[in-house]
Amino acid sequence: EAQVTQNPRYLITVTGKKLTVTCSQNMNHEYMSWYRQDPGLGLRQIYYSMNVEVTDKGDVPEGYKVSRKEKRNFPLILESPSPNQTSLYFCASSAPPSMNTEAFFGQGTRLTVV
Amino acid sequence: AQSVAQPEDQVNVAEGNPLTVKCTYSVSGNPYLFWYVQYPNRGLQFLLKYITGDNLVKGSYGFEAEFNKSQTSFHLKKPSALVSDSALYFCAVRGLSGGSYIPTFGRGTSLIVHP
Repeated sequence: EAQVTQNPRYLITVTGKKLTVTCSQNMNHEYMSWYRQDPGLGLRQIYYSMNVEVTDKGDVPEGYKVSRKEKRNFPLILESPSPNQTSLYFCASSAPPSMNTEAFFGQGTRLTVV
Repeated sequence: AQSVAQPEDQVNVAEGNPLTVKCTYSVSGNPYLFWYVQYPNRGLQFLLKYITGDNLVKGSYGFEAEFNKSQTSFHLKKPSALVSDSALYFCAVRGLSGGSYIPTFGRGTSLIVHP
């Protein structure tokens, strides 16, 4: 089954404690991205990747890091989480433009930073 | 930069009545347009897309959307709403290459269908 898998689904952590949210896709997609969803703001891009070792900032990259060492994985790293990073996070993957397909989303990770 | 506007935070409709959720967009070149739905505590589910061709696109669960290039709009519609359609709806646009290929989403519209 084609899917994007995020872990964990729920996480409560304390300010300053480094954490990683994993994202894995089994569709061999080149494009992967991270979004955060906040009430009234919709989904905002954090970082995206167009292929292995190719990453770039989205609209709200501050406080986040990513890596793309393998095609299937695109972890989101919060080196020193702060309460304003409390949010619902989604990972997505897409095939290349020539395929004209939609993006596939993970189930989301609800992060609370206290 | 590409952008999407969903002018209504919330749309209320009675069950059985037609519904419309509005979306306008801005993008360089030809747009790729999408609608996604999010049910409570769930991820985003793809509803439909416009890439090229007919301006009226049909998707899942009886939804359809009309692409209007002159008005840069891509409104979501359904002839007869169901209570189970109540959810958060997102419109998205993407370009053809590079960073623009990553979808940009609107703020979302909460659809509430009353029995």
